[in-house]
Amino acid sequence: AQSVTQPDIHITVSEGASLELRCNYSYGATPYLFWYVQSPGQGLQLLLKYFSGDTLVQGIKGFEAEFKRSQSSFNLRKPSVHWSDAAEYFCAVGDGDSWGKFQFGAGTQVVVTP
Amino acid sequence: DGGITQSPKYLFRKEGQNVTLSCEQNLNHDAMYWYRQDPGQGLRLIYYSQIVNDFQKGDIAEGYSVSREKKESFPLTVTSAQKNPTAFYLCASSPLAATNEQFFGPGTRLTVL
Repeated sequence: AQSVTQPDIHITVSEGASLELRCNYSYGATPYLFWYVQSPGQGLQLLLKYFSGDTLVQGIKGFEAEFKRSQSSFNLRKPSVHWSDAAEYFCAVGDGDSWGKFQFGAGTQVVVTP
Repeated sequence: DGGITQSPKYLFRKEGQNVTLSCEQNLNHDAMYWYRQDPGQGLRLIYYSQIVNDFQKGDIAEGYSVSREKKESFPLTVTSAQKNPTAFYLCASSPLAATNEQFFGPGTRLTVL
């Protein structure tokens, strides 16, 4: 069965600084990988996804992620964070069958300071 | 506007009562999902459905029940058998393909008093 680990529960970053959120997965075949963002009390919004091709994926809101098969990682990055980026971020891996079942990481809470 | 609606946003119930959470989508998606979210635990899958009149248990189905009588609707009932029902519940839908992302509703926060 697939699994996802987000090693950082909480990250504090200054506005304008760069941000990197880590995601490690365990899956036997080529994974389908997703990053979602959640504002407090809201649903999840897709930032980006990877399932094949270029390993550097561009998403919405200036985010990008890089798939590294050798490291089983799919880290999310943003060069310069804005106060509005304060939220919780979830990495997810799909198991590749038609059910589209996902396994979610525990999430990383991002706090942005002035 | 196309999307997923969940109602109500906040729900309070007394212990021992069953409660049903609504989820409706007008995206014409075949698959629908229910997740439970607790602090520090991410999202855990309760039930999912690929087609009308068919659904499967997820990782934490005990104490919950669902139905899928219409493609656009996937209500979740939290029964009195669920030992710790207070949580944030999220409904999602997706087209039937592994590469497709899931689209999420705004969630329902259930508090059992």
